[in-house]
Amino acid sequence: ETGVTQTPRHLVMGMTNKKSLKCEQHLGHNAMYWYKQSAKKPLELMFVYNFKEQTENNSVPSRFSPECPNSSHLFLHLHTLQPEDSALYLCASSHSPGQGSIDTQYFGPGTRLTVL
Amino acid sequence: KQEVTQIPAALSVPEGENLVLNCSFTDSAIYNLQWFRQDPGKGLTSLLLIQSSQREQTSGRLNASLDKSSGRSTLYIAASQPGDSATYLCAVAPITSGTYKYIFGTGTRLKVLA
Repeated sequence: ETGVTQTPRHLVMGMTNKKSLKCEQHLGHNAMYWYKQSAKKPLELMFVYNFKEQTENNSVPSRFSPECPNSSHLFLHLHTLQPEDSALYLCASSHSPGQGSIDTQYFGPGTRLTVL
Repeated sequence: KQEVTQIPAALSVPEGENLVLNCSFTDSAIYNLQWFRQDPGKGLTSLLLIQSSQREQTSGRLNASLDKSSGRSTLYIAASQPGDSATYLCAVAPITSGTYKYIFGTGTRLKVLA
């Protein structure tokens, strides 16, 4: 257990569905991240939140909508997804970056998403 | 643009062997480099983090080295065990103004045979 939990662990949805992924961290971190891991591709950073403010959107399509109500919770709202969005979605958290440094990130187990 | 490459993509070794996993990156301007382990269908577990000013880090049977000037890192695993079977990912944190993120390699899939 890394202190980062994700629900659900598996999700199958149709292209017209709306669903949400949830991430919660119990580590007292202030930065949270969403990553996408597709087969045979490197892990791709999607979004970064620092103290509840979005600081990075890595050109992610608008059908993915993140929400960070507080430093412990992060959501990824999904709507009208495409089959190519099927992947493992990983959440991570860390201490907020200091001056000239980046802290290690702690990852959740991921949500395996299948879009039919 | 920072790119991270890991060689080999897959590796199968008998138990007890010492082995080396390689990671190369194109831009030496990094905060740090981190090695992760990922078990099938699961999240990532941090193994070792090397700050840009450091040359190596050790944890148990694992030793990671960093040569920023040549853009290379190696992860050395001593006396490999079947429980070491997993995918090993290398990630670098580039120094870019106003952002803090890791760029990942595609990983090396390791299988240690009993």
